[in-house]
Amino acid sequence: ELKVEQNPLFLSMQEKKNYTIYCNYSTTSDRLYWYRQDPGKSLESLFVLLSNGAVKQEGRLMASLDTKARLSTLHITAAVHDLSATYFCAVDSAAGNKLTFGGGTRVLVKP
Amino acid sequence: EPEVTQTPSHQVTQMGQEVILRCVPISNHLYFYWYRQILGQKVEFLVSFYNNEISEKSEIFDDQFSVERPDGSNFTLKIRSTKLEDSAMYFCASRRGDQPQHFGDGTRLSIL
Repeated sequence: ELKVEQNPLFLSMQEKKNYTIYCNYSTTSDRLYWYRQDPGKSLESLFVLLSNGAVKQEGRLMASLDTKARLSTLHITAAVHDLSATYFCAVDSAAGNKLTFGGGTRVLVKP
Repeated sequence: EPEVTQTPSHQVTQMGQEVILRCVPISNHLYFYWYRQILGQKVEFLVSFYNNEISEKSEIFDDQFSVERPDGSNFTLKIRSTKLEDSAMYFCASRRGDQPQHFGDGTRLSIL
């Protein structure tokens, strides 16, 4: 059974500093997704990582995938308040039939 | 931009009653999913649906649950006899090819 673990579970950030969220998973997969969820809201797709070594960047967020280490990272550069949310990584099954989500990282950016 | 739409946004139901949650996936998507999220917890997979049949289901998706695509646009999740522990946010998602799953805004189900 695929297990997906994120850490940390909670991240209190200071503005303008850099932080990293880690996502480890237990079985081979080449498809990993990062989603953002604001309180009471739906899941917004941030990044799709489809191969080993994939790196995607959007604004202050950058995601990477190392399929050999079964590790993805979400790096936040110069945090700003607007980035406060919960971030989930999700790993796709080989058949693409389901996503297994990590436990989420709740991010709070303080001035 | 096309969206997955879910209705109702909030459903309150007595324990033991049947409930139907409705979803309209994005029109050119072929893969459909239901997930649930108990308050403050992670998102859990329930079921996937493709070509008018279930592709995969989780242990949560027992015989109290069913899905249906009654016409060309709607995708429904039915819970036959609700339990207190069914209280959660239920998300519908759809996907096309290798694109990420697009999620609806969810239905908050409260069982009394």
